[in-house]
Amino acid sequence: EAGVAQSPRYKIIEKRQSVAFWCNPISGHATLYWYQQILGQGPKLLIQFQNNGVVDDSQLPKDRFSAERLKGVDSTLKIQPAKLEDSAVYLCASSLDGNNEQFFGPGTRLTVL
Amino acid sequence: RKEVEQDPGPFNVPEGATVAFNCTYSNSASQSFFWYRQDCRKEPKLLMSVYSSGNEDGRFTAQLNRASQYISLLIRDSKLSDSATYLCVELQGTYKYIFGTGTRLKVLA
Repeated sequence: EAGVAQSPRYKIIEKRQSVAFWCNPISGHATLYWYQQILGQGPKLLIQFQNNGVVDDSQLPKDRFSAERLKGVDSTLKIQPAKLEDSAVYLCASSLDGNNEQFFGPGTRLTVL
Repeated sequence: RKEVEQDPGPFNVPEGATVAFNCTYSNSASQSFFWYRQDCRKEPKLLMSVYSSGNEDGRFTAQLNRASQYISLLIRDSKLSDSATYLCVELQGTYKYIFGTGTRLKVLA
């Protein structure tokens, strides 16, 4: 079974630039999560989708971050404009529904200079 | 106070040792907890769920103490391959997952 796919794996940008990350969850998984993991910390939930609806985006900095999952499958996370403190690994995860095991993708390592 | 607290470590133990980590949580109504393992520069992977009655999987045992609001992970007969960061996860309500900062374990030869 294919796992959660993410791209790109690495991205280096300058502050104030824009960046977008893509995630393809495991087939059939209704729930999709985006996490931010800063070095030395645990993953912090940014946004959770159930199919194409948002379940929780309370920790998403909405002035600069946006995410969508238009057809209930793939998802994109965008940062515009980026700040130095956005340097982190952005992890996408999916689960059958909100109560099951989460499967994580390999992450996108973002460096903002 | 953080919602889920863990000692960041590192815990340096010799091969064959027994090591235990604790994790405290703040929401007394939470029912479900998990331990995830994260290798360096890799994604987290589910190690085990934590049930009220405890849960054992080979060398790993997870326990829940509701009175004191903590969960524990015990690793017996540590292997070099157990070296990783162990993340404690609390499920608040029906869908909100809260991750701890992780406890780093190094098993030494």
